[in-house]
Amino acid sequence: AQSVTQLDSQVPVFEEAPVELRCNYSSSVSVYLFWYVQYPNQGLQLLLKYLSGSTLVESINGFEAEFNKSQTSFHLRKPSVHISDTAEYFCAVTDSGTYKYIFGTGTRLKVLA
Amino acid sequence: ETGVTQTPRHLVMGMTNKKSLKCEQHLGHNAMYWYKQSAKKPLELMFVYNFKEQTENNSVPSRFSPECPNSSHLFLHLHTLQPEDSALYLCASSLGDRVTEAFFGQGTRLTVV
Repeated sequence: AQSVTQLDSQVPVFEEAPVELRCNYSSSVSVYLFWYVQYPNQGLQLLLKYLSGSTLVESINGFEAEFNKSQTSFHLRKPSVHISDTAEYFCAVTDSGTYKYIFGTGTRLKVLA
Repeated sequence: ETGVTQTPRHLVMGMTNKKSLKCEQHLGHNAMYWYKQSAKKPLELMFVYNFKEQTENNSVPSRFSPECPNSSHLFLHLHTLQPEDSALYLCASSLGDRVTEAFFGQGTRLTVV
């Protein structure tokens, strides 16, 4: 069965500092990985995805994540965060057999001025 | 706007009431999902429909009854709920015949009193 682990429930970081949000997955089949962001009282919005090809994927607002098969990880990074990045971030996995999206418990990123 | 619309956005209901949540998508997707998001708990997959067939029922109590009349609409019928059922209920959709990201609605905030 698929599962996703986000070890950090909260990550405080100062504005303009770098940040890494960790995600590890468990699956016995080929996986497809996603990062979603959720702002208060809203649904989840896709941040970036790994389906195939380059293991380094980027979003339009400066986030990037790298698929590492040997370490079963898909960590999210940003070299310089803004106050507006304060939100909850969810890592998710699916496969081509079930089309079920399994989510981690989320990491609350709080950017401090 | 993600293309997935949920109504109502907020709902307060008594334990003896019957109500329904509605989800609509016009993205041409064939798979639709219900998730439950409770405070301090991971996002829980409740039901999956693919091409109108239910492919997943994640041990959800029978007081939650899904309905998928066509690929564009998904309902969650609620009756005799408990206070612990209070949560944000999220609907999502995806292509269903190949792996891409899921698109989420804004959610319905349900409070059971």
